[in-house]
Amino acid sequence: NAGVTQTPKFRVLKTGQSMTLLCAQDMNHEYMYWYRQDPGMGLRLIHYSVGEGTTAKGEVPDGYNVSRLKKQNFLLGLESAAPSQTSVYFCASSLDGYYGYTFGSGTRLTVV
Amino acid sequence: RKEVEQDPGPFNVPEGATVAFNCTYSNSASQSFFWYRQDCRKEPKLLMSVYSSGNEDGRFTAQLNRASQYISLLIRDSKLSDSATYLCVVTRPSGSARQLTFGSGTQLTVLP
Repeated sequence: NAGVTQTPKFRVLKTGQSMTLLCAQDMNHEYMYWYRQDPGMGLRLIHYSVGEGTTAKGEVPDGYNVSRLKKQNFLLGLESAAPSQTSVYFCASSLDGYYGYTFGSGTRLTVV
Repeated sequence: RKEVEQDPGPFNVPEGATVAFNCTYSNSASQSFFWYRQDCRKEPKLLMSVYSSGNEDGRFTAQLNRASQYISLLIRDSKLSDSATYLCVVTRPSGSARQLTFGSGTQLTVLP
């Protein structure tokens, strides 16, 4: 099915380890986003991209890096995982940033 | 102050009841407005866009008041399947891009 695919779905990391979350979309969308969701906080924007080769910081970028080498993929990296990065991570894409945001099913990350 | 504020609830209502959710946003540059629905441990999904003239989709009615920076969602004849968290979402310009800003969500439980 067309849409946004996130891998992995679950992951447990030890403090200080690094990892990369992959988001892939097959809708030819220009805009892609990474959000984190914590209880009582709503979804907060980490980084976003408005096209291949572009990235920009969102509301809570510290401790994360991103890359968009191909239009269909948006990667989120954790350089040195911390317990505060325990969260559910959602990727989303949109054709133009106004309408039609589609979300992936999320990655549940626990840092111990 | 949060950019998008919602009453977190929870709202517990019997089947068949009418329930209303409210949301306020602080950024007057906000451009488009939505209600998303999020089921437990799932990704957010678009419920409906919100237009200044008000719009209806079956049992759901959304209203926008730009002057008061206020958005509402009315659900009539509540069903058990309406139980979810409802997210108020706005888009606003961010540099050359646009991004979604989420409220923390209002939790609804429809009781048999």
